[in-house]
Amino acid sequence: KAGVTQTPRYLIKTRGQQVTLSCSPISGHRSVSWYQQTPGQGLQFLFEYFSETQRNKGNFPGRFSGRQFSNSRSEMNVSTLELGDSALYLCASSLKGGSYNSPLHFGNGTRLTVT
Amino acid sequence: SQELEQSPQSLIVQEGKNLTINCTSSKTLYGLYWYKQKYGEGLIFLMMLQKGGEEKSHEKITAKLDEKKQQSSLHITASQPSHAGIYLCGSQTGGATNKLIFGTGTLLAVQP
Repeated sequence: KAGVTQTPRYLIKTRGQQVTLSCSPISGHRSVSWYQQTPGQGLQFLFEYFSETQRNKGNFPGRFSGRQFSNSRSEMNVSTLELGDSALYLCASSLKGGSYNSPLHFGNGTRLTVT
Repeated sequence: SQELEQSPQSLIVQEGKNLTINCTSSKTLYGLYWYKQKYGEGLIFLMMLQKGGEEKSHEKITAKLDEKKQQSSLHITASQPSHAGIYLCGSQTGGATNKLIFGTGTLLAVQP
């Protein structure tokens, strides 16, 4: 079974631009979660999608948005990029998402650098 | 909001030595997950603990959950260079906005 696939692996953008990151979950997984990881803040929850609906959202500004398609693939968009958005963005999929018996399986992330 | 604190923040051990990493929650633990991360890569799921007193092992890694203390410990026996990386604990927050949050991480280096 293929794991969680994130594209692109690396991305360099300039301030003010927007960016779209893509995530393909493990086959059969309906929940996709997104996390931002930085040295200072650690792993921060962005949002979770389940069956094309946003089920949970973290404390990030509205510049961060996402969506999920009918095939469970998900995209994350960040508009009006700021230097502080430089981070490793991780996507994770699971069978049920918010269930206590459904661990998250992570992709290798997209390293975003904003200059 | 719930927070997970890990200790120590970093650890350097000689190959073959045992070590323990702790994860303490500020609120009730609804299941506890342990992950390992190589720098710049994704997280690898190690194990999940659900009940107080539960203990699980995977190869030379053992994790225990103490619900009363709202704490979990990860113990590595006879460490090897392959054990090096960042260890993260995660827990469901529970409630209406149930989500998985993570601890601050413990960086482990194993010297040959």
